[in-house]
Amino acid sequence: AQSVAQPEDQVNVAEGNPLTVKCTYSVSGNPYLFWYVQYPNRGLQFLLKYITGDNLVKGSYGFEAEFNKSQTSFHLKKPSALVSDSALYFCAVRDTEYSSASKIIFGSGTRLSIRP
Amino acid sequence: NAGVTQTPKFQVLKTGQSMTLQCAQDMNHNSMYWYRQDPGMGLRLIYYSASEGTTDKGEVPNGYNVSRLNKREFSLRLESAAPSQTSVYFCASSESRQGSPWYGYTFGSGTRLTVV
Repeated sequence: AQSVAQPEDQVNVAEGNPLTVKCTYSVSGNPYLFWYVQYPNRGLQFLLKYITGDNLVKGSYGFEAEFNKSQTSFHLKKPSALVSDSALYFCAVRDTEYSSASKIIFGSGTRLSIRP
Repeated sequence: NAGVTQTPKFQVLKTGQSMTLQCAQDMNHNSMYWYRQDPGMGLRLIYYSASEGTTDKGEVPNGYNVSRLNKREFSLRLESAAPSQTSVYFCASSESRQGSPWYGYTFGSGTRLTVV
């Protein structure tokens, strides 16, 4: 079965320090991978995606993610955290099983808390 | 552009009541989706519509029905609400075309539903 795992429910980082939010996936075939962010009482916003090409993907708000095929991981990173980065982050993968529409499977989410 | 618009934003229902959640998109996307978000469980797909006139069940369809009224609108109906349907509901849309890259979803801002 295809799946996405986010092993950490919460990540706490001091402002100015680098941050990493972990994600591993399991799909058949080539993965389409995504990161979304959700601020309180808001919908999900697209951060970045990996479809093909360079393993390091750059996205919005200074975030980047590294695709590692051998480890089936797609960790989200930022060199210097801001308090405003505090939010709920979802890793997601396109469902590659046949379907009439392209569907996304979401991880359970990681709450990122940046302390001043 | 409004993107994906959901109404209402908040709703409280009594057990057994019915209601319809509305979703409309103005991006001319062909596919639309309904997800529910529960703490620690990420987003789970309820129903989706690959194109106007078609609907399919997702991971958690029981207790729900949907209607793809036209290309813009995709509604979710709870015929007899239950406390287990207390959740935040998100509508999303995407564009899928043969031979073109897929860029994921655009989400609405959500409907927070409480069933008492």
